[in-house]
Amino acid sequence: DAMVIQNPRYQVTQFGKPVTLSCSQTLNHNVMYWYQQKSSQAPKLLFHYYDKDFNNEADTPDNFQSRRPNTSFCFLDIRSPGLGDAAMYLCATSDSLTYEQYFGPGTRLTVT
Amino acid sequence: ILNVEQSPQSLHVQEGDSTNFTCSFPSSNFYALHWYRWETAKSPEALFVMTLNGDEKKKGRISATLNTKEGYSYLYIKGSQPEDSATYLCAFSNYGGSQGNLIFGKGTKLSVKP
Repeated sequence: DAMVIQNPRYQVTQFGKPVTLSCSQTLNHNVMYWYQQKSSQAPKLLFHYYDKDFNNEADTPDNFQSRRPNTSFCFLDIRSPGLGDAAMYLCATSDSLTYEQYFGPGTRLTVT
Repeated sequence: ILNVEQSPQSLHVQEGDSTNFTCSFPSSNFYALHWYRWETAKSPEALFVMTLNGDEKKKGRISATLNTKEGYSYLYIKGSQPEDSATYLCAFSNYGGSQGNLIFGKGTKLSVKP
């Protein structure tokens, strides 16, 4: 089945230690998104790629960066995680024609 | 600031009860309203995408309505089953083109007791 895969499902990192979360898709969608959901909050868009074009949300901290080396893969890099970055990180994809978004199961990040 | 509100925040019902949740969103520059079901440890699953005022969509025991003029959508579940237990998220987008940015509510967490 075509799907969106996120690895790892659970990630523990130390305060200030860089961490990378990964997302891959077999849907061949040209748009990929990263959302952050903190406890009891709404998922919030951090950034998205339209093909190779990177689109950062205005309020996304500089600490968060992303890479998309090819259509299938997208990475979220947190350069210096703080305690406030503990959250569920969701990856999603869409076909630019429909904009229905398909989600992965998320990576739950803990910062110690 | 665009805001999506969902109510109630959580709901506990008995198996067989029917239930409904509300999503309210900004009514200006409306493009689409999405409902997702998110079960624990799984991916959020798309239930409905609604674009037209007055839209009604149905999938099995679940249905949704849309009022874009007043900025609300209802999700109904008829005869709730334990497998309906999940968080139901709604998301609003206010433009198409190359963006398709979704603005989510906090969700309604439904627990169905056998």
